Amino acid sequence: GAVVSQHPSRVICKSGTSVKIECRSLDFQATTMFWYRQFPKKSLMLMATSNEGSKATYEQGVEKDKFLINHASLTLSTLTVTSAHPEDSSFYICSATNYGQGDNEQFFGPGTRLTVL
Amino acid sequence: QKEVEQNSGPLSVPEGAIASLNCTYSDRVSQSFFWYRQYSGKSPELIMSIYSNGDKEDGRFTAQLNKASQYVSLLIRDSQPSDSATYLCAVEESNYQLIWGAGTKLIIKP
Repeated sequence: GAVVSQHPSRVICKSGTSVKIECRSLDFQATTMFWYRQFPKKSLMLMATSNEGSKATYEQGVEKDKFLINHASLTLSTLTVTSAHPEDSSFYICSATNYGQGDNEQFFGPGTRLTVL
Repeated sequence: QKEVEQNSGPLSVPEGAIASLNCTYSDRVSQSFFWYRQYSGKSPELIMSIYSNGDKEDGRFTAQLNKASQYVSLLIRDSQPSDSATYLCAVEESNYQLIWGAGTKLIIKP
């Protein structure tokens, strides 16, 4: 399967600071990337869908001004959690796919565990 | 509200036996179905994808799809302790987003 990386894998920050998470597709071009959040023992929750070169589409209840997504190239999308608070502590996971190749499988990055103090 | 239903488990299976995981979905027009495995503290890993009615086999894994019954399953033959994980069923919507089940926790007992 395709390889997707995320950086950092773990981050601890103070309340009020901003944190940027990078998601890269290493061996394919990702037309679409998805950002998920997962709380302990809960299922994945889709936050937003990101297409290269266009604005992200956010799910209901997800604040677009708080969770800034930039999909600047076919191999990189970033999620910035602005003015993070303890309730933003979670496991953030990206996935990537290339629908242009006729294969609509999503491949996941290893995730970023965010802890806001 | 489109839904994907899974039994949360835990499902306990003896080592070497067949583990059977089930999933039902509500959207009749769904065409693409996926099984992911997620170990605790890790991100999901794609195990199988299936698009047509019937069975699809890959090693010890077999996915089964019945669109008329809106049912998809995953069989794991010769279960190993390393198969112990949470298995997530996902169904693709027309806009390429995935609708996720809550996952079934599988425990393989040595």
